[in-house]
Parts: sequence; C-alpha cells; structure tokens
Amino acid sequence: GNSVTQMEGPVTLSEEAFLTINCTYTATGYPSLFWYVQYPGEGLQLLLKATKADDKGSNKGFEATYRKETTSFHLEKGSVQVSDSAVYFCAPVNSGSARQLTFGSGTQLTVLP
Amino acid sequence: NAGVTQTPKFQVLKTGQSMTLQCAQDMNHNSMYWYRQDPGMGLRLIYYSASEGTTDKGEVPNGYNVSRLNKREFSLRLESAAPSQTSVYFCASSEATGGGYGYTFGSGTRLTVV
Repeated sequence: GNSVTQMEGPVTLSEEAFLTINCTYTATGYPSLFWYVQYPGEGLQLLLKATKADDKGSNKGFEATYRKETTSFHLEKGSVQVSDSAVYFCAPVNSGSARQLTFGSGTQLTVLP
Repeated sequence: NAGVTQTPKFQVLKTGQSMTLQCAQDMNHNSMYWYRQDPGMGLRLIYYSASEGTTDKGEVPNGYNVSRLNKREFSLRLESAAPSQTSVYFCASSEATGGGYGYTFGSGTRLTVV
C-alpha cells in the first residue's frame, strides 16, 4: 500500500509569513494526491488536489505541485493568516476499487498575529 | 445540507459495553469509510465499503464490526469496548468511479472508554 511522510510539527509562524509543509509518498503507479485541512473540533475538509504529474492544485491561496520525479506534493502559501491555523494532512489515493486514502500523520500549524 | 452525518457526537462508555456509531451520506456515493484519529498518529482506516453490499478490513479492524445497511448508511459497532478504543472516529464517503475524487468527512464522534 501507499505510505506518506509529512513534515513534523508543530509549525509556528507569524502572520504574512511564507509556509511550506513537506510531503513525500511511496505508491504504486501515479496516485491522485490530496491535501486536507482540519480546523479545531471539526472533521477533515478537502483543501486541494492534483490528479497527474506536474498538475498544480490550488485553493484559498494554498498551492501544491505533483512532482513525480521526487514523489512529493509540498504545500505552500505565500502569506499565512491567523485563520489558517489548523492541522494539515497529505494523502495519496490507492488505485484499488475503494480508492482508499492513506493519510500522513498531520502537521499542526499555528499562525500568530 | 448535503454531506456526511455522524451520530452521536460524543459518547462515554464503560469497558465491556457495546455501541454502534451511525453514519449516513446523501451524495449518492458508492464508497464509505471509517477512520479513527489518535494524537500523533494521523488517521487510520478501520473498515471500508467499496460499494453497497461489500465491506473490507482496513489497517486497524480488531475490535470493530461494520454494516453497510444500504447505499446511504455505514455503521461501526464496538462489541466490547476497551480503553484502547478511546479515539475520535470519522466516517467518510467517496465516489469510487473515475479518478481524482477525494473524501467528504463527517464531523466526528468523540468516544471515551473508561
């Protein structure tokens, strides 16, 4: 099955700082890749996705590019806000019929005003 | 609102008690999943159902059973709860056909076993 290695947290940044959360994966073939975000006390929400090599997913100022050669899908944002404080999960999807997601351990981000 | 609904939101059980966590989705998704989330361990798959009428074990199935009651509903049962099952449980659904579809998650059930 797939496996995911995420940058360990917690990560603490000041408002307007640049954010990178690293994610690398091992998988059979070329899985679709996802970033999910979990705000305190809530379930996970899809943040962005990329379905093939060199695709760039983007949403709410966040971006991630599917790098086949390095099997990476790093999450970036140019200027973080306090409201971005959450836990971020990287997840490739299996190619089987159930399309299971394999989640990384999550990276806690705290943005200070 | 369309989405995944989980009940209950909170539950406290005594060791050895049983309970069923309910999950329903109204998006006509084929696949449904149960995950548990523990501090520092991300989400781990307990069971999943690729389509109505099928269920399969995930990474951590021991101590749990599931039922895919119909296309909408997927329940998780703890027959004899143990403190190690204290966790937050999330149900999710996905359109299994085609590529690039992610999951829609419920808001979770926080379970404490004492």
